[in-house]
Amino acid sequence: DIQMTQSPSSLFASVGDRVSITCRSSQSVSNYLHWYQQKPGEAPKLLIYGAAALQRGVPSRFSGSGSGTNYTLTISSLQSEDFATYYCQQSYIIPQNFGQGTKLEIK
Amino acid sequence: QVQLQESGPGLVKPSETLSLTCTVSGDSIGSYYWTWIRQPAGKGLEWIGRIYTSGSTNYNPYLKSRVSMSIDTSKNQLSLKLSSVTAADTAVYHCARENNSGWHPVELWGQGTLVTVSS
Repeated sequence: DIQMTQSPSSLFASVGDRVSITCRSSQSVSNYLHWYQQKPGEAPKLLIYGAAALQRGVPSRFSGSGSGTNYTLTISSLQSEDFATYYCQQSYIIPQNFGQGTKLEIK
Repeated sequence: QVQLQESGPGLVKPSETLSLTCTVSGDSIGSYYWTWIRQPAGKGLEWIGRIYTSGSTNYNPYLKSRVSMSIDTSKNQLSLKLSSVTAADTAVYHCARENNSGWHPVELWGQGTLVTVSS
């Protein structure tokens, strides 16, 4: 198995802030790394796939970067609707594990 | 607009088999990987496994001995069976679809259905 570790587990920020969430894999996932946003009571929503490709319809303030075992999701200027939990996932090797999640909360 | 809808019993007794169906509407099942993912209340996402439209499957090794997935292209439905359930299997179960980008992210999700394991 590839273990996915996100940091931080929780993050307090304000509207307008630039925030970054990190995902580290226990071995290289060769950019088969994706980011999801989940709000309470809703299914997750795909934001970024292939480490850096923006999913259709996702605002450009979201961006992804990284390679090998280290990846980052950045939100350039937080909006109120961005407060949610974020998950990374690797699809390089079965099982396609998720990180434990990062809860982004209002400061 | 493609939609996925999970259905099945909301309550399953310990040691019994959990059975869920996912109905795909708005498009044919087509040539995709279809995935099941679960989430215990207040916890993270767990990948259960996936099935291709040909019927080939990949399962999470931690669940492999208890999981079975199938696909019925004529009905546009997927199914998940998880045997010998315990309270640890209580979760919201989502069916979902990977996209065909080659990167295999989960692009489309059902809303999920809560399954509680309890006597």
